[in-house]
Amino acid sequence: EPEVTQTPSHQVTQMGQEVILRCVPISNHLYFYWYRQILGQKVEFLVSFYNNEISEKSEIFDDQFSVERPDGSNFTLKIRSTKLEDSAMYFCASSDPGETGYGYTFGSGTRLTVV
Amino acid sequence: GEDVEQSLFLSVREGDSSVINCTYTDSSSTYLYWYKQEPGAGLQLLTYIFSNMDMKQDQRLTVLLNKKDKHLSLRIADTQTGDSAIYFCAEIPSGGYQKVTFGTGTKLQVIP
Repeated sequence: EPEVTQTPSHQVTQMGQEVILRCVPISNHLYFYWYRQILGQKVEFLVSFYNNEISEKSEIFDDQFSVERPDGSNFTLKIRSTKLEDSAMYFCASSDPGETGYGYTFGSGTRLTVV
Repeated sequence: GEDVEQSLFLSVREGDSSVINCTYTDSSSTYLYWYKQEPGAGLQLLTYIFSNMDMKQDQRLTVLLNKKDKHLSLRIADTQTGDSAIYFCAEIPSGGYQKVTFGTGTKLQVIP
């Protein structure tokens, strides 16, 4: 079964540092997403990406965040200057509107801890 | 905006059936999903139902959808201790390229 792969599984960083979270979406999917889950809370949408540009972003996705598809397989989330409140699990997802259920598939997540 | 609500906690005895309920507000929802999250782990898609269906059964799982009341439920038959987890209801509007809106999650505790 196709998977969305995320690396690393856990990242610890110091406040103010830049982090890049990496994702490899399912190869034939064209829509990509990042979500965030603060410990004990619900999963929140951050951003969606299609055709090399952001298609929708939430209020959480401020100027500190950026996304990129640097090549044909990777999709990255960059946080420029991390804050303590950025500590969360970050999930990448991809979808294909042509599939049953839209093929909406989540990765296993990267746990980001900002100290 | 869209809103998806769930009760926070459910406790059942092993072998009993569990029913987890969810209400949503977006009438344009096309698919409704159930995800399972074990402690410290990712989101595992359990099942989904298309909005023009009333029921879907998949082994021990039964999904019921009342579109008029915007109410979704997940029934787990013969609940096992391995079913202990947080269950998220989620919905997506038409198109398949938009964001998924998650519910608050229901923590299911299975008592041996």
